Amino acid sequence: DTAVSQTPKYLVTQMGNDKSIKCEQNLGHDTMYWYKQDSKKFLKIMFSYNNKELIINETVPNRFSPKSPDKAHLNLHINSLELGDSAVYFCASSPDGPNSRNEQFFGPGTRLTVL
Amino acid sequence: DQQVKQNSPSLSVQEGRISILNCDYTNSMFDYFLWYKKYPAEGPTFLISISSIKDKNEDGRFTVFLNKSAKHLSLHIVPSQPGDSAVYFCAASKDSNYQLIWGAGTKLIIKP
Repeated sequence: DTAVSQTPKYLVTQMGNDKSIKCEQNLGHDTMYWYKQDSKKFLKIMFSYNNKELIINETVPNRFSPKSPDKAHLNLHINSLELGDSAVYFCASSPDGPNSRNEQFFGPGTRLTVL
Repeated sequence: DQQVKQNSPSLSVQEGRISILNCDYTNSMFDYFLWYKKYPAEGPTFLISISSIKDKNEDGRFTVFLNKSAKHLSLHIVPSQPGDSAVYFCAASKDSNYQLIWGAGTKLIIKP
């Protein structure tokens, strides 16, 4: 039983394409996150949703648009992909709001390669 | 601007010995610190945390020490086991904004 799952695990695509990464959590958590792990291995928060409502939106190009159809899902859609978007993207969830010290549970990551 | 630094990209330790992973931070407003462990092809998993009101927190083989004056924390694993081989991330947050700021990670290798 995977707590936080992401699909696909690997995504290779051409510059200029539009792609989506899906995330689902079966933990009943209220808050979900998207992180980007760049080439220097730092994990940086991109977005956070609490009960389908956007809470955190860091300085991310507007080509990135999160969509939360329900509180168990937070999908990431990326338009007009660029070389610099190549990274590993992690989805995570936590039981309370982002203003919480509860631990975050991570998905396995999606390795995006833009050619 | 790197607010959380893990200056050792990797560390190799003999099985059974103590592993000490270090983390430094620059923002004195950080008041909560966490360690996560990450295996290849998996997401990070929470290991242990410490609030700034404490200087030590222990959970089984894992102990985190916090030195606020030095803006330094460390994770001690004793005794080290082969299954501890992983990348360890340090993360910090501050009261006004509970977002986690992450270090770049330290790869721990436990030698048999």
